[in-house]
Amino acid sequence: EPEVTQTPSHQVTQMGQEVILRCVPISNHLYFYWYRQILGQKVEFLVSFYNNEISEKSEIFDDQFSVERPDGSNFTLKIRSTKLEDSAMYFCASNGGTNEKLFFGSGTQLSVL
Amino acid sequence: DQQVKQNSPSLSVQEGRISILNCDYTNSMFDYFLWYKKYPAEGPTFLISISSIKDKNEDGRFTVFLNKSAKHLSLHIVPSQPGDSAVYFCAAKGVGSGTYKYIFGTGTRLKVLA
Repeated sequence: EPEVTQTPSHQVTQMGQEVILRCVPISNHLYFYWYRQILGQKVEFLVSFYNNEISEKSEIFDDQFSVERPDGSNFTLKIRSTKLEDSAMYFCASNGGTNEKLFFGSGTQLSVL
Repeated sequence: DQQVKQNSPSLSVQEGRISILNCDYTNSMFDYFLWYKKYPAEGPTFLISISSIKDKNEDGRFTVFLNKSAKHLSLHIVPSQPGDSAVYFCAAKGVGSGTYKYIFGTGTRLKVLA
């Protein structure tokens, strides 16, 4: 079965540093998402992306966050200046239509020290 | 903004018995609902979904029930197996409302005892 892949699986960074989390969505999917889960809490929506632009974002997704689809396969999440509270598991997801199930990657555990 | 709530953080069930996981929502614009299963250090895995035009959807051991008037859905797992032990999230989306996001509940940790 096709899958969403995310790299790296773990990322440790110093506060204030920039990080880029990478994702390869399923190849024929059109909608891309980033979610995050702080340890033991709910899976929170960050942003959705369609047709090379952000279609919706949450209040968490402030000016420090950005997303990009630099080529036909990758989908990235950049955090410009990380904060301690950005420490979480970040999940990329994709689907082929707005009312279809989401396929999730296995996540990137981001630790900000 | 707790639009999707799972009020039971944990549930323990004996192997072979029924597991019932519950989910409540507040937004009447939601009309597509999903259940996901999550193991530690892995991404959520889709289990089953239901649209609001139905009140029940079944797939093998998993059945989802939707009560629109009560804004409540439940996931039944019969019979429960030790491999079902995981965190279960319900999620909701508003079809046709112009929203692209799926909103997740806080999860219920299911433990199936052998």
